[in-house]
Amino acid sequence: SQTIHQWPATLVQPVGSPLSLECTVEGTSNPNLYWYRQAAGRGLQLLFYSIGIDQISSEVPQNLSASRPQDRQFILSSKKLLLSDSGFYLCAWSPTSGGSTDTQYFGPGTRLTVL
Amino acid sequence: QKEVEQNSGPLSVPEGAIASLNCTYSDRGSQSFFWYRQYSGKSPELIMFIYSNGDKEDGRFTAQLNKASQYVSLLIRDSQPSDSATYLCAVRMGSARQLTFGSGTQLTVLP
Repeated sequence: SQTIHQWPATLVQPVGSPLSLECTVEGTSNPNLYWYRQAAGRGLQLLFYSIGIDQISSEVPQNLSASRPQDRQFILSSKKLLLSDSGFYLCAWSPTSGGSTDTQYFGPGTRLTVL
Repeated sequence: QKEVEQNSGPLSVPEGAIASLNCTYSDRGSQSFFWYRQYSGKSPELIMFIYSNGDKEDGRFTAQLNKASQYVSLLIRDSQPSDSATYLCAVRMGSARQLTFGSGTQLTVLP
């Protein structure tokens, strides 16, 4: 069965500091990968999605970037955090073969607080 | 702009009642429709998906899709306090690779 991991689970960072969040998927090959942010009491905002290694699309222009160095690894980064970067960061994956390639499955999330 | 709309709630129902959650979407070419449940402080978990017009049942959950009217709904029968959560509707619109999520409806089931 497939499993998705995210770390860290929680993070408190000062404004202007760098950020690196990691997501890995087990039990599948060549998944589509997604990064979302959910601000407190708000819906999901798609930040990036990737259909393969080094194939990443950005949905929202901002100070965040994403990389996919390996097939099942997705990293979200920032060089300098802003207060507005606080939120719940969710990684998700969807299969690229089989019955329901649209279905996205979410990791446990990283709660980021920027002070 | 392509949108997915949900009533934010909160929606309160007594234990044992049917909870009805609704979602409308703007793109008539939408293909796939999903319902997720999100407990407070947790990540969304998939409840079910539906692709074709009509009803799809899975245990106490029934998804209903009406493409002509551009809405999808989720019925929860015999609601339990453990069903108290925010329910997110998601739609794959047209040829998009990704899903568009609604802002969610908060459901409270009262004991």
